[in-house]
Amino acid sequence: QKEVEQNSGPLSVPEGAIASLNCTYSDRGSQSFFWYRQYSGKSPELIMSIYSNGDKEDGRFTAQLNKASQYVSLLIRDSQPSDSATYLCAVKYGNKLVFGAGTILRVKS
Amino acid sequence: DGGITQSPKYLFRKEGQNVTLSCEQNLNHDAMYWYRQDPGQGLRLIYYSQIVNDFQKGDIAEGYSVSREKKESFPLTVTSAQKNPTAFYLCASATTSTFSTDTQYFGPGTRLTVL
Repeated sequence: QKEVEQNSGPLSVPEGAIASLNCTYSDRGSQSFFWYRQYSGKSPELIMSIYSNGDKEDGRFTAQLNKASQYVSLLIRDSQPSDSATYLCAVKYGNKLVFGAGTILRVKS
Repeated sequence: DGGITQSPKYLFRKEGQNVTLSCEQNLNHDAMYWYRQDPGQGLRLIYYSQIVNDFQKGDIAEGYSVSREKKESFPLTVTSAQKNPTAFYLCASATTSTFSTDTQYFGPGTRLTVL
């Protein structure tokens, strides 16, 4: 059974702070990792993808991957109230994505 | 506009009825997927298709059926055999290639409620 684990939260951070979201996965053979954001009642939208160990930055978002520890994280700098959403981690296994249950992020103004 | 469309946005079904959810994409993607999302849970894969006229069961295929007669379309039928169909249904599509990232993009979803 391929598993992806996330802390369900909610994770509460003040506006302007750094939000750190974490995800662990069970299969060392995984090569592709994705972070999606999902607002309440809406469909997931892609934030970032990462395939190599290390950091990948895109604007206020940084994805970090450590394949040895089977760990992928998402950092959101200068958090805004509009970042309040559920963040889904997804890991590609073969032709399929396996999703974590998501972490609820609340940014307080 | 390129994208993925799903219809209807909301759907109500009576016990014992079959209903079909539509998913269309004009992104020229080869692969299409159907997921189900229940409150507080992640997405669970129902069916997926990598190519026209071929599809595979996902993790929770029982009570569902699909067809892939056209590249652009991947309808999902929720049959009366599905005992607890109330959920948010999401369709996704992706390019397929041995070396591509196969990033999946989602449609807006259909919320199905059994009365």
